[in-house]
Amino acid sequence: AQKVTQAQTEISVVEKEDVTLDCVYETRDTTYYLFWYKQPPSGELVFLIRRNSFDEQNEISGRYSWNFQKSTSSFNFTITASQVVDSAVYFCALSPTSGGYNKLIFGAGTRLAVHP
Amino acid sequence: NAGVTQTPKFQVLKTGQSMTLQCAQDMNHNSMYWYRQDPGMGLRLIYYSASEGTTDKGEVPNGYNVSRLNKREFSLRLESAAPSQTSVYFCASSELVGYSNQPQHFGDGTRLSIL
Repeated sequence: AQKVTQAQTEISVVEKEDVTLDCVYETRDTTYYLFWYKQPPSGELVFLIRRNSFDEQNEISGRYSWNFQKSTSSFNFTITASQVVDSAVYFCALSPTSGGYNKLIFGAGTRLAVHP
Repeated sequence: NAGVTQTPKFQVLKTGQSMTLQCAQDMNHNSMYWYRQDPGMGLRLIYYSASEGTTDKGEVPNGYNVSRLNKREFSLRLESAAPSQTSVYFCASSELVGYSNQPQHFGDGTRLSIL
């Protein structure tokens, strides 16, 4: 089975707190890709990051960082010093390379509310 | 840069009516997709078109048809709308580069209500 689990349905924090969004995936593919997307209240989906299964280096982009651990099938996303503009629904997605096309399997999403 | 453009943004239909959701991308991408987003369920793939001239079913194709009109345009049709098809519909596109799964770029969505 190929599946993405985002166990945290909603998270509420106060501005400047650090917050980690969890993502656990299942796949039998040896080559696959992982993505994070942000959906702000306006509704569009914004691509944040793509990681392939052979690259386990953590990534940092400004206040955002991603921790990929193949051993635990997790691809967690941390926001440092959160801001109100970070309030959104965040989706983790798995893209296996089997199946012959660029398939995206989404988790149910985590709604993050950052309060002033 | 427009990216992926969906029309309309909102629509209300009565049960049994038909309608077509339009999608166009200006990024010269080969692959296009239609998803639906329901509360608490993330996005689910309805149909996709890996390249111009091909279309295939995704996870939830029942009740829908698609047309890849040309490389830019990919439409989704509801032949006889049902209340269960009330959802937010997203179109996306991506480059096709072998098995190097490229990011999909999404339109702003169409909020569809069926009464």
